[in-house]
Amino acid sequence: GENVEQHPSTLSVQEGDSAVIKCTYSDSASNYFPWYKQELGKGSQLIIDIRSNVGEKKDQRIAVTLNKTAKHFSLHITETQPEDSAVYFCAAIRTPGKSTFGDGTTLTVKP
Amino acid sequence: GAGVSQSPRYKVAKRGQDVALRCDPISGHVSLFWYQQALGQGPEFLTYFQNEAQLDKSGLPSDRFFAERPEGSVSTLKIQRTQQEDSAVYLCASSPGTDTGGYTFGSGTRLTVV
Repeated sequence: GENVEQHPSTLSVQEGDSAVIKCTYSDSASNYFPWYKQELGKGSQLIIDIRSNVGEKKDQRIAVTLNKTAKHFSLHITETQPEDSAVYFCAAIRTPGKSTFGDGTTLTVKP
Repeated sequence: GAGVSQSPRYKVAKRGQDVALRCDPISGHVSLFWYQQALGQGPEFLTYFQNEAQLDKSGLPSDRFFAERPEGSVSTLKIQRTQQEDSAVYLCASSPGTDTGGYTFGSGTRLTVV
């Protein structure tokens, strides 16, 4: 089955710096790669996603890049703010029923 | 409703009890998913519904786990004879279509089996 590895497991940055989280996947048939932000007591919020026919997508301070050949994708957050502190999860999805998540990255942005 | 609603938010069960967890998806959403999230890990897929049809239940860990969505809207995840290893957050997500993408998650139900 699909295997998704996410790194790093924890990441601490200074406010204003950039943060990068990387995920690798094993199933080349995966075609949809969302990133979720999970905050304590709140649901997991979709922050950005990318499909396999696109190499990069950007939304304000957040960007995702996808390398299909290498089977990895990354989340980039620029100009980080304390409210960006949360647990971030990546996922690789092949069909609606086949979704595999990484184990999460705890991002701490220090003011 | 505006989002995916799950109830209860917290559930404490004695080992051996049966529990039922409820998910109210966004109105009109065709697809509904259940995930199990253990502490410090990502969500693990349990089962997937398209309307009332359970198309994939390959992630259900044992026959003690049962899910239904009889009218294609509200879904219930039932766990019989709960065990300590069932303690986790159970997440429900829904999406408007049948393709990948557009998932909206609920806040989850934290189940603790004592």
